Amino acid sequence: AQSVTQLDSQVPVFEEAPVELRCNYSSSVSVYLFWYVQYPNQGLQLLLKYLSGSTLVKGINGFEAEFNKSQTSFHLRKPSVHISDTAEYFCAVSVNGGFKTIFGAGTRLFVKA
Amino acid sequence: GAVVSQHPSWVICKSGTSVKIECRSLDFQATTMFWYRQFPKQSLMLMATSNEGSKATYEQGVEKDKFLINHASLTLSTLTVTSAHPEDSSFYICSAPRLAGASYNEQFFGPGTRLTVL
Repeated sequence: AQSVTQLDSQVPVFEEAPVELRCNYSSSVSVYLFWYVQYPNQGLQLLLKYLSGSTLVKGINGFEAEFNKSQTSFHLRKPSVHISDTAEYFCAVSVNGGFKTIFGAGTRLFVKA
Repeated sequence: GAVVSQHPSWVICKSGTSVKIECRSLDFQATTMFWYRQFPKQSLMLMATSNEGSKATYEQGVEKDKFLINHASLTLSTLTVTSAHPEDSSFYICSAPRLAGASYNEQFFGPGTRLTVL
């Protein structure tokens, strides 16, 4: 079975500081990896995804993530955050060609002025 | 990109009534859709897989008689919360996969439905 662990439930950071949101996964088969962002009372927006190829994936809003197979990690990073980045971030894994998606518990990013 | 809509976006109902939530894929056909439930400050938990023209597949611990799913067309799945109680209050999100490559299906998520049972 697949599982996703987000190591931090909350990450407070000052505006313009860098941030890393950590994600580890477990799976016995090849997986696709995702990061989603959710603003209050809204659905999910895809930030970026790793399917294959280059392990460094760039997404929207200046976010990027690096797939590390040996460490089974897919950490999300942004070099300089904005107040508007305050939201809930979910790491997710899917198998079967992306059909079924399993989500991590989420990390609340809180950007302070 | 592909769009998935949900209706209603929010609903308040009395305990004991049934509530129907619709999930539509607006510009693509989806033979499969997924229903998730999200409690406040928690992650999305997969409830069931909705299959067009056949019975839904429920995850362990989800009451199929409580959460009725109907996938009557290639663009519409409905989730009916029967005899709703306050503990059913939650944010319900659907998703629909669309083939985005040779072997990859990209999930498109609806905006969610906030259900509050009084």
